[in-house]
Amino acid sequence: AQSVTQLGSHVSVSEGALVLLRCNYSSSVPPYLFWYVQYPNQGLQLLLKYTSAATLVKGINGFEAEFKKSETSFHLTKPSAHMSDAAEYFCAVAYSSASKIIFGSGTRLSIRP
Amino acid sequence: SAVISQKPSRDICQRGTSLTIQCQVDSQVTMMFWYRQQPGQSLTLIATANQGSEATYESGFVIDKFPISRPNLTFSTLTVSNMSPEDSSIYLCSADRGQNTEAFFGQGTRLTVV
Repeated sequence: AQSVTQLGSHVSVSEGALVLLRCNYSSSVPPYLFWYVQYPNQGLQLLLKYTSAATLVKGINGFEAEFKKSETSFHLTKPSAHMSDAAEYFCAVAYSSASKIIFGSGTRLSIRP
Repeated sequence: SAVISQKPSRDICQRGTSLTIQCQVDSQVTMMFWYRQQPGQSLTLIATANQGSEATYESGFVIDKFPISRPNLTFSTLTVSNMSPEDSSIYLCSADRGQNTEAFFGQGTRLTVV
């Protein structure tokens, strides 16, 4: 069965520091992988998605993620954190482009001034 | 991108009653899904809303509790039946056109059962 594991329910970084949010997937076939962001009291917004076209995926707001099959990972990074990045981040996996999406437990990102 | 509108955006309901949530997409989509997000938790898929046929429910969710309709390719409803305080959650509708497009989410319906 497909699943994703997000390591760390809460990550805190200083403004301007590197952001690294970890996600590992479990899938018997190459999956579709996503990162979503949820700002307080708002819906979900897609940050980026991996669909096997390129292992390094660039998303919105300066975020990117790298698909590493050997490590079954899809970690999300941003070189320099901004206060506006404070939100909940969800890694997610799907079997195909139109199939159901399974979400990880989420990581709350806090930014210290 | 697709725009998804959910109504109501929030509601406070008495236990034992039912609430129907509407999800309207601004264009035809292949798939529609309903998720639940309990307080402080991640999203859990309730069911896939199938156009013209019965919804496909995930483990732990049943049609009697969460009846779903999808009369056409742009609209779906989720009913939360015989509510209890444990049903207090955010319910989100999602849509996907397929063909390598991403799933879009509505703003959610914040339900509080008292």
